[in-house]
Amino acid sequence: AQSVTQLGSHVSVSEGALVLLRCNYSSSVPPYLFWYVQYPNQGLQLLLKYTSAATLVKGINGFEAEFKKSETSFHLTKPSAHMSDAAEYFCAVSDSGGGADGLTFGKGTHLIIQP
Amino acid sequence: NAGVMQNPRHLVRRRGQEARLRCSPMKGHSHVYWYRQLPEEGLKFMVYLQKENIIDESGMPKERFSAEFPKEGPSILRIQQVVRGDSAAYFCASSRQSGANVLTFGAGSRLTVL
Repeated sequence: AQSVTQLGSHVSVSEGALVLLRCNYSSSVPPYLFWYVQYPNQGLQLLLKYTSAATLVKGINGFEAEFKKSETSFHLTKPSAHMSDAAEYFCAVSDSGGGADGLTFGKGTHLIIQP
Repeated sequence: NAGVMQNPRHLVRRRGQEARLRCSPMKGHSHVYWYRQLPEEGLKFMVYLQKENIIDESGMPKERFSAEFPKEGPSILRIQQVVRGDSAAYFCASSRQSGANVLTFGAGSRLTVL
């Protein structure tokens, strides 16, 4: 069984400040890990994914995430927040690339950008 | 490439009615996944289908819910005799091959049950 915990249902940062969204996972096998972003009334867009290659993964819009096996974490960061980053962010895990059960999602973190 | 198309985007039903949600996968994709997003919750897996086959329906409620992906046409998620608790956003995703690492999501269908 696999699960995802996102710490903080809401995170507020000032424009230009560092963004840090936390994600911890549990998986019985080496995981595939993902971050998705959901803008209001839209579907999910893939930000980045970890698939057992480099532990530091760079995604779109200046986001990156680092896989830390010892901490079972996959936190999402961005050096400088922009107003357009305001959205819901979901961390997700899959325990196999060929898994039939798709992705297991966290409950999401709502990112608020203060001007 | 139109991406994953879902319709209707918004659907309102009264208790006891039926809801049908449609999903057309991306061109060339033959794997379809349905997820449900309840308010303040993450997405929950419901069902995984390939053309004419249900591969995994472990996330589907035992009653009133069904899904199909016919040889021709979109995938359909059908909810019979809807109740207020069915109000949610229903997302479809598709992939060219099996596996979660290549999913593309649609914009979702938001069901409101009055």
